[in-house]
Amino acid sequence: QKEVEQDPGPLSVPEGAIVSLNCTYSNSAFQYFMWYRQYSRKGPELLMYTYSSGNKEDGRFTAQVDKSSKYISLFIRDSQPSDSATYLCAMRGGMGNTGKLIFGQGTTLQVKP
Amino acid sequence: DAGVIQSPRHEVTEMGQEVTLRCKPISGHNSLFWYRQTMMRGLELLIYFNNNVPIDDSGMPEDRFSAKMPNASFSTLKIQPSEPRDSAVYFCASSSGMRNEQFFGPGTRLTVL
Repeated sequence: QKEVEQDPGPLSVPEGAIVSLNCTYSNSAFQYFMWYRQYSRKGPELLMYTYSSGNKEDGRFTAQVDKSSKYISLFIRDSQPSDSATYLCAMRGGMGNTGKLIFGQGTTLQVKP
Repeated sequence: DAGVIQSPRHEVTEMGQEVTLRCKPISGHNSLFWYRQTMMRGLELLIYFNNNVPIDDSGMPEDRFSAKMPNASFSTLKIQPSEPRDSAVYFCASSSGMRNEQFFGPGTRLTVL
C-alpha cells in the first residue's frame, strides 16, 4: 500500500462547477500538507500549504485536513478552464523531519468552457 | 529571478549510453531535490542535498544512478548505463531550507530507446 493515495482521474467538469480533490494517507506522522498544481509539460508549483488539521482558504481554493481520518481535500469554487491541470497532494512529517515530501499520484482535472 | 534551470529539456538516447542531467537552483537556495515522474509511479524523490551535502539518497533506484552537487549553483544527475525503464521526466527543485517551499524546474524529458 502506498503512503499517499490519490485517484488519478481524469475528472471533467463544466466551467463554474465546484471541484473536490482528495487524498488519503497512512502515516500518522505527517504534519504538513500541500497541494501542487502542474500544467502540462511544466513543473509542479505550490498552490496551498496547511499545517495539521483544519481549513485554509485562498481565493477560490480551500484546503481541508482531517488528521483523524487521514484525509485531505482541495476544493475549487467557480472552476475556470485555466484550472485545467494535474493536482498533486504532498505531505511530510513535523519537527525532526528532514523535509522529504511524499506525493500522491496526481488527479488530472479538465474544466470545460 | 530565472527560476530553477534544467538542461537539456529533452534527451533521447540509446540503451547503454551515459546520460547527464543538469540543474541550476535558484540563487540563494541551499536545498536541492531531484525527482522522477512517471505515469505508473507518479513523482518520486530520488535524492536531495542541503548545503551541497547529500542528505537522503534512499530514492536512488540503483547504482546506475549518481548525483553530485559540486557547488551551490550546480548539480548533476547521471545515469550510466541507461535502460529503457529509466524513461521519465526528471525534475530538479530547490528551496531556501529543507522544510520550505520547493520550487520546481521545467523538467528533462528522457527517452531511452
